[in-house]
Amino acid sequence: EDQVTQSPEALRLQEGESSSLNCSYTVSGLRGLFWYRQDPGKGPEFLFTLYSAGEEKEKERLKATLTKKESFLHITAPKPEDSATYLCAVRSYNQGGKLIFGQGTELSVKP
Amino acid sequence: DSGVTQTPKHLITATGQRVTLRCSPRSGDLSVYWYQQSLDQGLQFLIQYYNGEERAKGNILERFSAQQFPDLHSELNLSSLELGDSALYFCASSVGGTENQPQHFGDGTRLSIL
Repeated sequence: EDQVTQSPEALRLQEGESSSLNCSYTVSGLRGLFWYRQDPGKGPEFLFTLYSAGEEKEKERLKATLTKKESFLHITAPKPEDSATYLCAVRSYNQGGKLIFGQGTELSVKP
Repeated sequence: DSGVTQTPKHLITATGQRVTLRCSPRSGDLSVYWYQQSLDQGLQFLIQYYNGEERAKGNILERFSAQQFPDLHSELNLSSLELGDSALYFCASSVGGTENQPQHFGDGTRLSIL
């Protein structure tokens, strides 16, 4: 069964303190791995898509990487506005557009 | 703003009732997806429509049904509501049905069952 596990569940950082969020996945055939950001009361906001092991994507202070078993979201010198829940999702072959989401990591960045 | 519009934003009703949630996808998107988000289950895929046809189905209850209309908007119908149906319901859209474009989410409908 396809599964996504994110860790840690919650992460508290000081402004400027870099860290990484982990997304471990088990999927029959990975078609894509997606990172989203979700603010309270809002829908998930798309950040990155990764397709194959070794791929990396960057956007401002965020960098996503992918291996055959997990993905990392690295946050460099975070700011308070980076506080949100970060969601990882996978899409596998033969399941249409279905995304399987992890439970998310709630990130809090204090000034 | 993702461009995906969901109405209503909040819905309060009683057990046994029926409600309809509406979604307008981004301009040009042919696929619509419905997800349920609860505290204990996280985001769970319900169903996907592509250009009016059902494309993929998740663990959607028999009391729930959906459709996509010729103008590409979609409706999710929930009937015989139970307390456990209280959740956030999100709609997402993407350009294609099987291509790997990202899904863009609306801000959801919060359903509260009293």
